Amino acid sequence: NAGVTQTPKFRVLKTGQSMTLLCAQDMNHEYMYWYRQDPGMGLRLIHYSVGEGTTAKGEVPDGYNVSRLKKQNFLLGLESAAPSQTSVYFCASSYSKTGYGYTFGSGTRLTVV
Amino acid sequence: GENVEQHPSTLSVQEGDSAVIKCTYSDSASNYFPWYKQELGKRPQLIIDIRSNVGEKKDQRIAVTLNKTAKHFSLHITETQPEDSAVYFCAPFNDYKLSFGAGTTVTVRA
Repeated sequence: NAGVTQTPKFRVLKTGQSMTLLCAQDMNHEYMYWYRQDPGMGLRLIHYSVGEGTTAKGEVPDGYNVSRLKKQNFLLGLESAAPSQTSVYFCASSYSKTGYGYTFGSGTRLTVV
Repeated sequence: GENVEQHPSTLSVQEGDSAVIKCTYSDSASNYFPWYKQELGKRPQLIIDIRSNVGEKKDQRIAVTLNKTAKHFSLHITETQPEDSAVYFCAPFNDYKLSFGAGTTVTVRA
């Protein structure tokens, strides 16, 4: 089992460019999440999904879109990148609606210049 | 949404001493209370958790206590070691998701 795999691991974007971050899990988890972590701060929830075909907004959803067309994949899109979106992005998945079994990916470090 | 506060934001302890971090939350519906440890450049790792019907849980040198009435839970690390140096996050769970505190940077002095 690879667990939760994030692609890419590093990326530098110019302001206004678009990109998609991919999160893939091979554990058949129902729930998937995208968080961002800025220096000296905790993880803040961007969007999440409670099952294939569903998405919901988290704490900081502006400037991002997501899709969950397949159960194993959760995509995070930036349509027009801004320097304020420079951050480390973590994907997570879970098998339980009670909070157990959160598994985090290794993160994507995104810099917008 | 959930409002989570952690105190202190930084903590420096002598090796062998104890460390305590407190987390307060706002939503009384929260029912699962984990603590995560994050080393520099790494992903968060679950170190201990507790459910809402339990008051205390211990795992070797670490323990978590929960006061659901007061809406706070605490992480206790005894006999601290250099490898305990890291950032620690509380993350109460409610409505399908974890809400993270801002973190506590723990430094263990040799």
